Amino acid sequence: GAVVSQHPSRVICKSGTSVKIECRSLDFQATTMFWYRQFPKQSLMLMATSNEGSKATYEQGVEKDKFLINHASLTLSTLTVTSAHPEDSSFYICSAKTGGADTQYFGPGTRLTVL
Amino acid sequence: GNSVTQMEGPVTLSEEAFLTINCTYTATGYPSLFWYVQYPGEGLQLLLKATKADDKGSNKGFEATYRKETTSFHLEKGSVQVSDSAVYFCALSTASGTYKYIFGTGTRLKVLA
Repeated sequence: GAVVSQHPSRVICKSGTSVKIECRSLDFQATTMFWYRQFPKQSLMLMATSNEGSKATYEQGVEKDKFLINHASLTLSTLTVTSAHPEDSSFYICSAKTGGADTQYFGPGTRLTVL
Repeated sequence: GNSVTQMEGPVTLSEEAFLTINCTYTATGYPSLFWYVQYPGEGLQLLLKATKADDKGSNKGFEATYRKETTSFHLEKGSVQVSDSAVYFCALSTASGTYKYIFGTGTRLKVLA
């Protein structure tokens, strides 16, 4: 149980285009989902927290207009990187949890490369 | 504020050696503590957790004990295998609100045959 999927696993795009990453909880209802960014050989940096049906809460320094997060259902959250640039290239990981629980379950990650 | 400190890696061990990865934390209240493992190119997998003082989490031969007096949650395994080679992250969950995680920097483990 507690499986989280991400799609796509890898994406390559041109500078200036937008990319959407999906995060799904497959066997539980995720009232809260988190989006992280991970640079090579580094820890995870929390970008934002999203609760189903409400606006995401972004961490300090994360541009909300660049990283659009939608959490429209209890099983799906999306992260859209708008007008992507090479510096946005990174490994993006989502996690999900049920309301009141303290344990997050992580997706397998999405490798974004912006040319 | 809340923080997690992990020992610097990489840690290189021979197969069947004893493993310890140190983790200490600073937190207000009573956080839950976690160890996650990340294999190359993958997301994080929950390895074990503990939710209160003196709890011991264990899984796949790994174990860690929540020590409130030393604010520690060290990861141990009696006999490592090559397949244990990965990056290990210690994390705490804030005790209220959205239960955001605070991660340590991660410790890379390499086990040699």
